[in-house]
Amino acid sequence: GAGVSQSPSNKVTEKGKDVELRCDPISGHTALYWYRQRLGQGLEFLIYFQGNSAPDKSGLPSDRFSAERTGESVSTLTIQRTQQEDSAVYLCASSFGQGYSQPQHFGDGTRLSIL
Amino acid sequence: EDKVVQSPLSLVVHEGDTVTLNCSYEVTNFRSLLWYKQEKKAPTFLFMLTSSGIEKKSGRLSSILDKKELSSILNITATQTGDSAIYLCAATAGGTSYGKLTFGQGTILTVHP
Repeated sequence: GAGVSQSPSNKVTEKGKDVELRCDPISGHTALYWYRQRLGQGLEFLIYFQGNSAPDKSGLPSDRFSAERTGESVSTLTIQRTQQEDSAVYLCASSFGQGYSQPQHFGDGTRLSIL
Repeated sequence: EDKVVQSPLSLVVHEGDTVTLNCSYEVTNFRSLLWYKQEKKAPTFLFMLTSSGIEKKSGRLSSILDKKELSSILNITATQTGDSAIYLCAATAGGTSYGKLTFGQGTILTVHP
């Protein structure tokens, strides 16, 4: 596709439920990143995938958060037993190569609301 | 811990004004500084500045990287209402950081007609 695609665009769920967010990167982009943007705050790094290398999970806030990526394609971010503080916009970005030499391009995000 | 700070946090101007947005960074093994524009949804890439490209310009927008002062500015001349957005500054580092972006808080720019 032309850009990074994320789904769903909005998700409302009850506290304690599990949610799965999807990201389809730009074709040919080997690097994929997940960020979280809480209301009124900057973007926080969550996790990074590069090809078949082990992901960098250093930004995941708790063990309720996990992510997978199949090769250089789609990635899913899963949040288990959601809490109200998980409410945020979850943004996915991809880049051709590592992000310090090539700019990252973002999807429109998934707005997650925990009731 | 890597840190990026933007100022001002918000700015209100009238069409035709020139604005300067500031970004300072403290990043170990710094590699690049990026500017993004965020309107309703996805941050849109504007500029990427590195030691080999410390000044970039596109139309009314321009940006400079000052590696000595560990800072960058984004200039917008002859502002238009369509420039109203949140402007995000982010830095990347090499090594085990793999180029993940460390963002500032953003500057909210409002341009009145």
